[in-house]
Amino acid sequence: QLQLQESGPGLVKPSETLSLTCTVSGGSIRSSSYYWGWIRQPPGKGLEWIGSIYYSGNTYYNPSLKSRVTISVDTSKNQFSLNLSSVTAADTAVYYCATYYYDDNGYSPFDYWGQGTLLTVSS
Amino acid sequence: DIVMTQSPDSLAVSLGERATINCKSSQSVLYSSNNKNYLGWYQQKPGQPPKLLIYWASTRESGVPDRFSGSGSGTDFTLTVSSLQAEDVAVYYCQQYYSIPFTFGQGTRLEIK
Repeated sequence: QLQLQESGPGLVKPSETLSLTCTVSGGSIRSSSYYWGWIRQPPGKGLEWIGSIYYSGNTYYNPSLKSRVTISVDTSKNQFSLNLSSVTAADTAVYYCATYYYDDNGYSPFDYWGQGTLLTVSS
Repeated sequence: DIVMTQSPDSLAVSLGERATINCKSSQSVLYSSNNKNYLGWYQQKPGQPPKLLIYWASTRESGVPDRFSGSGSGTDFTLTVSSLQAEDVAVYYCQQYYSIPFTFGQGTRLEIK
């Protein structure tokens, strides 16, 4: 059973860079056709896809955040990471890592999710 | 971007009664070459990540009770809970995976009347 676990600082100051890591267990991040993504949810609000990465390093970002987002992968550690620069209070949210696949039918929905980690932006 | 709009924002239904949640996409999420609707439904309980219930608009994920069903095509979709149970209290989201950026509806809160 695939498991994902987010880790991060919990608190970041405004204008700094947020860094989160997702550790994958129960399977390989190099699994063919699987993509690894980040989704966030501000307190009491809905879900926003941030971006995704394939183990080869190909990345896909939400245009609304693209200028501030970098997603990277470390296959040796079975991890992928999110960096979000120049954060403001509006970036306060629960950040989830999740996975989906892409095959002859195209994309699939997010079928495995981490438990999420709350990231607060405050001085 | 494909905008997903759910209705209603909240819904209160008596135990054992039917609950219906609607989701409308700003453009079709039906891929004509395979006749599949790229639409999923998720259930989110407090303090938990979303859980996938339905994909391809009407296919139940393994282990999901059969009181949950999805229907619709193109731009209009429905999630139905045929007989509401106490454990179904949650927020429900639709999501399109037809194209990037993936987008979600704003959520519908389902409560017991």
